[in-house]
Amino acid sequence: GAGVSQSPSNKVTEKGKDVELRCDPISGHTALYWYRQSLGQGLEFLIYFQGNSAPDKSGLPSDRFSAERTGGSVSTLTIQRTQQEDSAVYLCASSLDGRAYNQPQHFGDGTRLSIL
Amino acid sequence: DAKTTQPTSMDCAEGRAANLPCNHSTISGNEYVYWYRQIHSQGPQYIIHGLKNNETNEMASLIITEDRKSSTLILPHATLRDTAVYYCIVRYVQGAQKLVFGQGTRLTINP
Repeated sequence: GAGVSQSPSNKVTEKGKDVELRCDPISGHTALYWYRQSLGQGLEFLIYFQGNSAPDKSGLPSDRFSAERTGGSVSTLTIQRTQQEDSAVYLCASSLDGRAYNQPQHFGDGTRLSIL
Repeated sequence: DAKTTQPTSMDCAEGRAANLPCNHSTISGNEYVYWYRQIHSQGPQYIIHGLKNNETNEMASLIITEDRKSSTLILPHATLRDTAVYYCIVRYVQGAQKLVFGQGTRLTINP
């Protein structure tokens, strides 16, 4: 079946612009996660959705970052007034139920964001 | 911070079994061990997970020691396409939703 789909695959924008990144989770998955991976760095958790609510937003680095999920499916990560340090690969994952410890997360291939 | 320790890099000959170790000495009784891998320019790929019993699927086998303080991921017949960074992750009970990735093991399969 279809995996996690992210769009766009690449995004180049100028410093100060706003960007929106989209994630389509695996059908039927109630949990959705955003991570980012900076060049040469490990994966960093950003936010977790269970259904449409976000019980854990602890990884969002600043108030320029926000995310929403509607209809328990598609999610959008928005970065306002982008800075060069926001350049990274933004990864989305989904799982059947985030409250279950034995449910693996499945990742998309990410959006590579470059801030000029 | 990740609560696992893995070698930085390993090499394995094509066709041989690749055995990747992971130490997780502070693991708690109801925490799972997960393995993922990341091939260049792709998102992490789920491989296998386990609690206390050994597990096997079409990709790999997971051997967990009886005291659960360490585990080994086994790729039985490594191919060049198995070259990747492999991450061993303990999924916390508290904050179970997020995965905490360490630096992983860079596995190179040589022809």
